[in-house]
Amino acid sequence: GQQLNQSPQSMFIQEGEDVSMNCTSSSIFNTWLWYKQDPGEGPVLLIALYKAGELTSNGRLTAQFGITRKDSFLNISASIPSDVGIYFCAETNYGGSQGNLIFGKGTKLSVKP
Amino acid sequence: SAVISQKPSRDICQRGTSLTIQCQVDSQVTMMFWYRQQPGQSLTLIATANQGSEATYESGFVIDKFPISRPNLTFSTLTVSNMSPEDSSIYLCSVLPYQGPSDTGELFFGEGSRLTVL
Repeated sequence: GQQLNQSPQSMFIQEGEDVSMNCTSSSIFNTWLWYKQDPGEGPVLLIALYKAGELTSNGRLTAQFGITRKDSFLNISASIPSDVGIYFCAETNYGGSQGNLIFGKGTKLSVKP
Repeated sequence: SAVISQKPSRDICQRGTSLTIQCQVDSQVTMMFWYRQQPGQSLTLIATANQGSEATYESGFVIDKFPISRPNLTFSTLTVSNMSPEDSSIYLCSVLPYQGPSDTGELFFGEGSRLTVL
């Protein structure tokens, strides 16, 4: 079946540092999504990517859709304490009646003030 | 986007009982899904809730254990039947809002229903 590898599994950083996490897939997909999940909450969509090579920013967050369509990374610049949470990558080949996502295992981010 | 409300937000259940989780969306949506997130784990798709017909289940999930209803375009329920401690998880409703010809596959999630089975 399809596999989605996300790394690192967890990160402990100092406030103000930059963060980078990535996902790789065994298959090609046409959409990459990055979500953040706070404790006790559902995942919230951060960034969506639709084209190979696409680079998209959302405030301090930047994500890119790899040129091979099998990978994506998410960068967070100048981290702050509220960045704490679990970040998930997800992929899909949306079209027609499809729409379900395959999720990575998540990157748990801890930020020390 | 869409505003998604799930009830209950959490519950503690006894082994062998069943619990129904409700998902209400503030607008009509194309598709609705149910995901499970076991403790410390990622999200796994249980099924696609189809309006007016039987849900489409993923491998490892069956209708007898997780019956799903979707009577209209804004509401769905998931029942966790004959629960055991292994069913302790967060159950999440997600929706794909109708965006017209440029539908992009961006799913939005409810806040989840955290079930603990004793």
